[in-house]
Amino acid sequence: GAVVSQHPSWVICKSGTSVKIECRSLDFQATTMFWYRQFPKQSLMLMATSNEGSKATYEQGVEKDKFLINHASLTLSTLTVTSAHPEDSSFYICSATRGFGYNEQFFGPGTRLTVL
Amino acid sequence: AQSVTQLGSHVSVSEGALVLLRCNYSSSVPPYLFWYVQYPNQGLQLLLKYTSAATLVKGINGFEAEFKKSETSFHLTKPSAHMSDAAEYFCAVTPSGSARQLTFGSGTQLTVLP
Repeated sequence: GAVVSQHPSWVICKSGTSVKIECRSLDFQATTMFWYRQFPKQSLMLMATSNEGSKATYEQGVEKDKFLINHASLTLSTLTVTSAHPEDSSFYICSATRGFGYNEQFFGPGTRLTVL
Repeated sequence: AQSVTQLGSHVSVSEGALVLLRCNYSSSVPPYLFWYVQYPNQGLQLLLKYTSAATLVKGINGFEAEFKKSETSFHLTKPSAHMSDAAEYFCAVTPSGSARQLTFGSGTQLTVLP
């Protein structure tokens, strides 16, 4: 149990276009989902935290108008990179927790975004 | 606030040798601590976690870690390295009682030499 999927696993887009990445909890209801960004050979940096039905909380320095996060249901969160540019190329990973209080984060397999 | 320091961005060991990956943490409240492994172009897989129960934690694939409060450490060990252990390893910390705000270390790339 506790499987998290991401779609697509990789995407290539042209500069200026928008890209949507989906994160789904397949066998549990995710009260909270997290979005991370990982540059090559670097660690994961938390971008934002989203709770179902409420606005996402963004980390300092993350542009909320550029990285739109929607957590419309207990099993789906989406990250939309708007007007993508080459510097947005990165590995995006989501994670999800179930229930409240302490709960382990279950990570998705990641999405590789390349902006040309 | 919490932080994690992983000493050694690259560690090389021979197959069959002891694996020791170092992690020191800083936390203003009792922490929960985690070790994750990441293979190329994949997400994170949990190896083990400390959540204030036993200080010696055993995980998957023969890995274990010991929580030492006096040393603020949570080093990862494995008695005998396998080629399949070659990957990136991340230590992470979060305040106890919450899965929010996981803070990751910078990672250690483990190379296993034949």
